[in-house]
Amino acid sequence: DTGVSQDPRHKITKRGQNVTFRCDPISEHNRLYWYRQTLGQGPEFLTYFQNEAQLEKSRLLSDRFSAERPKGSFSTLEIQRTEQGDSAMYLCASSTGTGGAGNTIYFGEGSWLTVV
Amino acid sequence: AQRVTQPEKLLSVFKGAPVELKCNYSYSGSPELFWYVQYSRQRLQLLLRHISRESIKGFTADLNKGETSFHLKKPFAQEEDSAMYYCALGRAKIIFGKGTRLHILP
Repeated sequence: DTGVSQDPRHKITKRGQNVTFRCDPISEHNRLYWYRQTLGQGPEFLTYFQNEAQLEKSRLLSDRFSAERPKGSFSTLEIQRTEQGDSAMYLCASSTGTGGAGNTIYFGEGSWLTVV
Repeated sequence: AQRVTQPEKLLSVFKGAPVELKCNYSYSGSPELFWYVQYSRQRLQLLLRHISRESIKGFTADLNKGETSFHLKKPFAQEEDSAMYYCALGRAKIIFGKGTRLHILP
């Protein structure tokens, strides 16, 4: 197991286009998280899943953003009609959600989005 | 509301000097608290958790519920400690502070 993996690592898109990021969590991790990080800031919470259920969404996640985890394994984050303000690193993380270390989250390397 | 505050954006410390990275929080209930570290060109990784009460790479952090603080400390800084450090808290939903860049001077 190589940890949380994200694809693509880098994406450059034109304003108004749609983009989709994929995250594969650590095997058997029940929880999956999406964060956004811009330069000089910490990871900002976007949303998280417990298995296939999306349990919480941040107000940062506008109507143009949608995240899914259809089978409780991998997840996708789609941004529609991208804007320049969407340029950021999108981080995925996962955790077991059970046991003493269940709240410890493990991060992927992130997907860089540049909107031009 | 949940909140994590790291008051220092940058902390410069000489090699061999003590380090203290500050973290204050607000939370309704009993959160878990964490310190994460990001070395240059690496992913964010867990440094330590308050419930483990362990020392990792010489770092320790004590939860002070009265002051709602979880400061990270190390008695003698090493050059390899230079990195971004993030304080985090939560139960299922985990939120992060804005981070402190620790720069160890030779």
